[in-house]
Amino acid sequence: GAGVSQSPSNKVTEKGKDVELRCDPISGHTALYWYRQSLGQGLEFLIYFQGNSAPDKSGLPSDRFSAERTGGSVSTLTIQRTQQEDSAVYLCASSLEGGPPSGANVLTFGAGSRLTVL
Amino acid sequence: AQSVTQLDSQVPVFEEAPVELRCNYSSSVSVYLFWYVQYPNQGLQLLLKYLSGSTLVKGINGFEAEFNKSQTSFHLRKPSVHISDTAEYFCAVKGLTGGGNKLTFGTGTQLKVEL
Repeated sequence: GAGVSQSPSNKVTEKGKDVELRCDPISGHTALYWYRQSLGQGLEFLIYFQGNSAPDKSGLPSDRFSAERTGGSVSTLTIQRTQQEDSAVYLCASSLEGGPPSGANVLTFGAGSRLTVL
Repeated sequence: AQSVTQLDSQVPVFEEAPVELRCNYSSSVSVYLFWYVQYPNQGLQLLLKYLSGSTLVKGINGFEAEFNKSQTSFHLRKPSVHISDTAEYFCAVKGLTGGGNKLTFGTGTQLKVEL
């Protein structure tokens, strides 16, 4: 597609439930990122996929969080046993990586998935 | 690994005044540098980028930034701000060499333009 697509746009869940958030990146983009943005907070890095390399999971806040990227395209972020502190907007972004052309390394962000844990 | 520091969490400024949003980075390798902007209730979008070449880069909406390697800075400037520039601004850095260098963001600077 023309942009990064995320679903659902809004998710309300009860504490303790599992949730899955989906990201459909721009076709051909080799890099995919997940970030979390809480109210009034900056961008918290969660995980980074780059081509066939092992993902950088250094930002995942706990073992309740996991993500996968199938076939180098669609990614799902799974949060198990959700807690109220997980409430945030989860942003996905994708880019080409490597050297020139000048469009490489520029992230295109999705609109985000707003998660509310009651 | 790289890191980014945005010292100012909030910058209030009057309309038509100049503004500078500060960004300093840390890296042991050469870098690409970016500024992204998030307008109220909107997604993030690229404002400008430095990849190579001229150290003064111009972006959208009259913003510009200068890459200063010796001071490891990439400050964002605009000579005359408008109300519509009210937004959150994020500086970001990406290392060039080595594998798997993720894009690292600063904590953001909230620019509030007042009449």
